[in-house]
Amino acid sequence: DVKVTQSSRYLVKRTGEKVFLECVQDMDHENMFWYRQDPGLGLRLIYFSYDVKMKEKGDIPEGYSVSREKKERFSLILESASTNQTSMYLCASRVDGEKLFFGSGTQLSVL
Amino acid sequence: DQQVKQNSPSLSVQEGRISILNCDYTNSMFDYFLWYKKYPAEGPTFLISISSIKDKNEDGRFTVFLNKSAKHLSLHIVPSQPGDSAVYFCAAYQGAQKLVFGQGTRLTINP
Repeated sequence: DVKVTQSSRYLVKRTGEKVFLECVQDMDHENMFWYRQDPGLGLRLIYFSYDVKMKEKGDIPEGYSVSREKKERFSLILESASTNQTSMYLCASRVDGEKLFFGSGTQLSVL
Repeated sequence: DQQVKQNSPSLSVQEGRISILNCDYTNSMFDYFLWYKKYPAEGPTFLISISSIKDKNEDGRFTVFLNKSAKHLSLHIVPSQPGDSAVYFCAAYQGAQKLVFGQGTRLTINP
């Protein structure tokens, strides 16, 4: 069965902290994605990666960076968290041309 | 600039009746469309998809209709069941990699 695992379900951080969100998939998928979900805005793409060490900006990359050192792991980094980054963060993976498989999400609150 | 729009934030339907969720898009280059379903505190799960070369795709109680000239697609659920209560997202592929989502519609099935 397909599995995308996000390391934390809930996180509370302070403004200015460096935040790491981790995502692991066990399906040997080439492509991995980070989205954030906000009420009234749907899911918006932050970054994606189509191979190890490769990354592409999505629609809202400002304030974020990513790391993909191994095929199964894709990390989202908030260099200096701000209150407007309070959101639900969703990781996903897929093979080319197929549907996305999502993790359960991380609800991040920045105080 | 919202390229995929779900103009109804919420929909309430009686159990056993038909639920119709609508989605409009602006980019005529979109060629593959998907519907995802999301329960609270869970990641979105794939429901059904349709290629732009088709105008209908059916899977059990779920049917997706595509009207390319109107840039409109809809999801029909017949008959609606209480377990169908969730947020539904329409999405479209922009190129080979990017999946663009709508804002979501919260469907409530009343007993």
